[in-house]
Amino acid sequence: DAGVIQSPRHEVTEMGQEVTLRCKPISGHDYLFWYRQTMMRGLELLIYFNNNVPIDDSGMPEDRFSAKMPNASFSTLKIQPSEPRDSAVYFCASSFSPRDNEQFFGPGTRLTVL
Amino acid sequence: QKEVEQNSGPLSVPEGAIASLNCTYSDRGSQSFFWYRQYSGKSPELIMFIYSNGDKEDGRFTAQLNKASQYVSLLIRDSQPSDSATYLCAVGAGSYQLTFGKGTKLSVIP
Repeated sequence: DAGVIQSPRHEVTEMGQEVTLRCKPISGHDYLFWYRQTMMRGLELLIYFNNNVPIDDSGMPEDRFSAKMPNASFSTLKIQPSEPRDSAVYFCASSFSPRDNEQFFGPGTRLTVL
Repeated sequence: QKEVEQNSGPLSVPEGAIASLNCTYSDRGSQSFFWYRQYSGKSPELIMFIYSNGDKEDGRFTAQLNKASQYVSLLIRDSQPSDSATYLCAVGAGSYQLTFGKGTKLSVIP
């Protein structure tokens, strides 16, 4: 398997623009997680899905952030409008270990909002 | 609020020595404990997990868990320069969510 795939790997945008990050989980995995990592706050869970259904979005910072998972092989995280403080590395992770909670991370998307 | 605390480091050890990384957590209901390694500019990679009190060994790595003290550690024996990375402690409470610490940066000096 190719592992978790994320695109784009790098995104530079201007404040106020819409940003869409994409993720393809490992085939067969039924949990998908979106994280944000910054130096100040570390790795933070934004939202996670089980069988394409959002389970907990309490980590989503505000209404500017939204996430969808239309099918088992694709998820998006959208920021609209983007702000400079959204600059971070966004990771997608997937798992299929109800006992182990073992999460496999994608390579991440480095977002810079100017 | 669930918290996972780690010393940010950097922790510097000479090549061949034992590196000891520590982590404390606040949620007594935590059931699963993980150590991830993250190289600079890369994504976290799972290296160890432990569920029960005591030690768990895997090659040069040993994870230690003490639930009474809410403490988990990672020992790296015979440290190599390739072990230089940031080590993230993660704690799960049975809901498939993990809470991560901010990580300890390890530097192994040749």
